[in-house]
Amino acid sequence: DAKTTQPPSMDCAEGRAANLPCNHSTISGNEYVYWYRQIHSQGPQYIIHGLKNNETNEMASLIITEDRKSSTLILPHATLRDTAVYYCIVRVGSGNTGKLIFGQGTTLQVKP
Amino acid sequence: GAGVSQSPRYKVAKRGQDVALRCDPISGHVSLFWYQQALGQGPEFLTYFQNEAQLDKSGLPSDRFFAERPEGSVSTLKIQRTQQEDSAVYLCASSLTGAGANVLTFGAGSRLTVL
Repeated sequence: DAKTTQPPSMDCAEGRAANLPCNHSTISGNEYVYWYRQIHSQGPQYIIHGLKNNETNEMASLIITEDRKSSTLILPHATLRDTAVYYCIVRVGSGNTGKLIFGQGTTLQVKP
Repeated sequence: GAGVSQSPRYKVAKRGQDVALRCDPISGHVSLFWYQQALGQGPEFLTYFQNEAQLDKSGLPSDRFFAERPEGSVSTLKIQRTQQEDSAVYLCASSLTGAGANVLTFGAGSRLTVL
């Protein structure tokens, strides 16, 4: 499975957009990009995923570059409750167990 | 159920004791995963089930770790002769299938402390 690279930490002001980058330069054509977050003492929470196209849901937007070697998770209006560790993961699309291989993630601190 | 349920939420064991951690996946989910998360680290894959079949156990750290899912629903992770390095949060996740487009839903985890 492809590896991902994320900055270890980021700060964001409350109410502003949080843009979390992820590099996955060795991603294969059938590998999905997944984003999860983990708030202290809870299990990882699914945010969004995509293959080639940009995606948006009620939580966030996912922007994937045309060459698919990097992506950005956008939280449009960050709140204090968005403070968490954010994991960017690539996952094989088919013919596999589909397991997620987590890295160290980005610790996002939303400040008042 | 509505989500993945894990029990116990907290377990304290003396070194050398055996422990069993239970996972109730979302009803109808074929795939079940176990992860181990040490303090300050990301979750690490332990093992994967498709129904009752254990298709991948490449992440199990030693033969003291054993997982089963006999009827293809509830799963138990058993750790024999616990060691201090086994202290971690053990996470269970399930998904509809193992295909890459299917989302994994995680439980809250079982925190194991070995004294």
